Amino acid sequence: LAKTTQPISMDSYEGQEVNITCSHNNIATNDYITWYQQFPSQGPRFIIQGYKTKVTNEVASLFIPADRKSSTLSLPRVSLSDTAVYYCLVVDNNAGGTSYGKLTFGQGTILTVHP
Amino acid sequence: DTAVSQTPKYLVTQMGNDKSIKCEQNLGHDTMYWYKQDSKKFLKIMFSYNNKELIINETVPNRFSPKSPDKAHLNLHINSLELGDSAVYFCASSQVKFVTNEKLFFGSGTQLSVL
Repeated sequence: LAKTTQPISMDSYEGQEVNITCSHNNIATNDYITWYQQFPSQGPRFIIQGYKTKVTNEVASLFIPADRKSSTLSLPRVSLSDTAVYYCLVVDNNAGGTSYGKLTFGQGTILTVHP
Repeated sequence: DTAVSQTPKYLVTQMGNDKSIKCEQNLGHDTMYWYKQDSKKFLKIMFSYNNKELIINETVPNRFSPKSPDKAHLNLHINSLELGDSAVYFCASSQVKFVTNEKLFFGSGTQLSVL
């Protein structure tokens, strides 16, 4: 059973704002929501993390409603170099009897930015 | 210096062979991971080690055997390679073993092709 659900792909144009929404209906109280970005032939890299409300850094903003069942990654004024796969994650606490959480990546959203 | 480095970058081999992928991190992290990414971009955790101790072992064929000689290294050995093992394998590390609000740092991946 998937922990997160996000669109498979999105298209945008340079200079536009892009919003990618992720559903995580079974999020647990202690879970944080984290987004990673993966460029072709590279490993994923952390871009932003939040627990509730809004978080902003130099790369993106993350909006989390009060029920925390979804989150939206917002990329302001995208450029061609923002073309990548974006993953939304929450921790899977059903760790089979161990006390350690494990990060579950979904399929990700392939964002393509056009000139 | 690369924070998480894995070698080789590409690995092409025949079915039935045995191969190893090496990973090293210079971040001083206590926990290291192996992830497998399939052609649909799903990124699945395989193993996790904390200070050389195995803490996560997903449902992975026992042909896959991780080895951690010290907390800075986590190698992956694969016996009797099969066609279905073709994928990109990513090594990652984090500071703590419970990653609710912790970042993962990934290597650049090893693309394994089994012919």
